[in-house]
Amino acid sequence: EVQLVQSGAEVKKPGESLKISCKGSGYSFTNYWIAWVRQMPGKGLEWMGIFYPGDSDTRYSPSFQGQVTISADKSINAAYLQWSSLKASDTAMYYCARQSPLWSGYIDYWGQGTLVTVSS
Amino acid sequence: QSVLTQPPSASGTPGQRVTFSCSGSSSNIGSNYVYWYQQLPGTAPKLLIYRNNQRPSGVPDRFSGSKSGTSASLAISGLRSEDEADYYCAAWDDSLSGVIFGGGTKLTVL
Repeated sequence: EVQLVQSGAEVKKPGESLKISCKGSGYSFTNYWIAWVRQMPGKGLEWMGIFYPGDSDTRYSPSFQGQVTISADKSINAAYLQWSSLKASDTAMYYCARQSPLWSGYIDYWGQGTLVTVSS
Repeated sequence: QSVLTQPPSASGTPGQRVTFSCSGSSSNIGSNYVYWYQQLPGTAPKLLIYRNNQRPSGVPDRFSGSKSGTSASLAISGLRSEDEADYYCAAWDDSLSGVIFGGGTKLTVL
């Protein structure tokens, strides 16, 4: 069974750093892209970027380029989304999801989401 | 503002047929497949329709998708109370080189 299990909810202060994780199982982790999707409170879905664990190819949506870093450790089937300096506007639910191929909106498995709250 | 345009809300009564529209452009819907996602309250999105009109295993045939030019639509027939959710369309955008989602349509089953 394919599963993407994300790390737990986080409460942070503005300016702090954060790295959240997404662990895949039940499939060949290196053969599928992992995307990150943001959902701000009461709002819609936003595709942030994507990572291919097989060769570390990384793409970012223009809206998120330079704001976050996407990475992965294929030795433990984990993908990451990190911030170096959080802002209040980063408060949102973040989903990791399996996407394939790259040039499609075919996202067949989603993590349960990680709620990030940034507040002073 | 989303690149794909969806009406913010829709409603229907049990048993009815409802449709949702999704409008895009030549760089997304016009040249790529359309996908639909259902997000039940408090849960992660779920793939409902892929490649314009294909249903993943387990999705009832009450759900159907279509595409024409730069627009797409999702139809739900035999509406049920458990269909109450947010519905998002999505497509790859060649100009942005990324996936774009519509703003979502909130379905209320009266």
